[in-house]
Amino acid sequence: GDSVTQMEGPVTLSEEAFLTINCTYTATGYPSLFWYVQYPGEGLQLLLKATKADDKGSNKGFEATYRKETTSFHLEKGSVQVSDSAVYFCALFGNQGGKLIFGQGTELSVKP
Amino acid sequence: DTEVTQTPKHLVMGMTNKKSLKCEQHMGHRAMYWYKQKAKKPPELMFVYSYEKLSINESVPSRFSPECPNSSLLNLHLHALQPEDSALYLCASSHNPAPSPNYGYTFGSGTRLTVV
Repeated sequence: GDSVTQMEGPVTLSEEAFLTINCTYTATGYPSLFWYVQYPGEGLQLLLKATKADDKGSNKGFEATYRKETTSFHLEKGSVQVSDSAVYFCALFGNQGGKLIFGQGTELSVKP
Repeated sequence: DTEVTQTPKHLVMGMTNKKSLKCEQHMGHRAMYWYKQKAKKPPELMFVYSYEKLSINESVPSRFSPECPNSSLLNLHLHALQPEDSALYLCASSHNPAPSPNYGYTFGSGTRLTVV
């Protein structure tokens, strides 16, 4: 069945550092791909999405490109801030009967 | 209105209590979902309602009973819970049961449930 694999955390960075959180997926066909962010004590917020190969999703300085050839959707940000500290979930919506499939989540901690 | 509203935000209940969680959206979404989330883990799907009918039950114990009174409202009735049921319960909605990639899911802030 469909699945999502994320790099394990926690990831600790200094403010203004470059961020990459790896995400790869297994799915038949062409799933839609998402990054969700969960700030401490809150629900999930959609950060960005991509619906087809080579699409680039972007929001709040974060970017991710849908790479069909490597089945990847890595999240990047050029300069992180303390306020970016959160748990990031990669997810896909594919052919598995109407379910959003999540990766395990990656906790990011940004220090001043 | 682009939000999913969940009440209460926090709930403490005993193992013999009966309580309900409420979720509301006014975006015209026709699919609504209940998820359970343990700390720093991904959400786990519990139930899916599609056009106000239960379409997916992920083998959830009967002590959790969902209800969808209308297209804007989703309830989760709780009875005889166990301490291991303590978690963040998230409600979500989407434009239709196979969400358009242009919309995705909208999540509420959740109800943090503690069973004592």
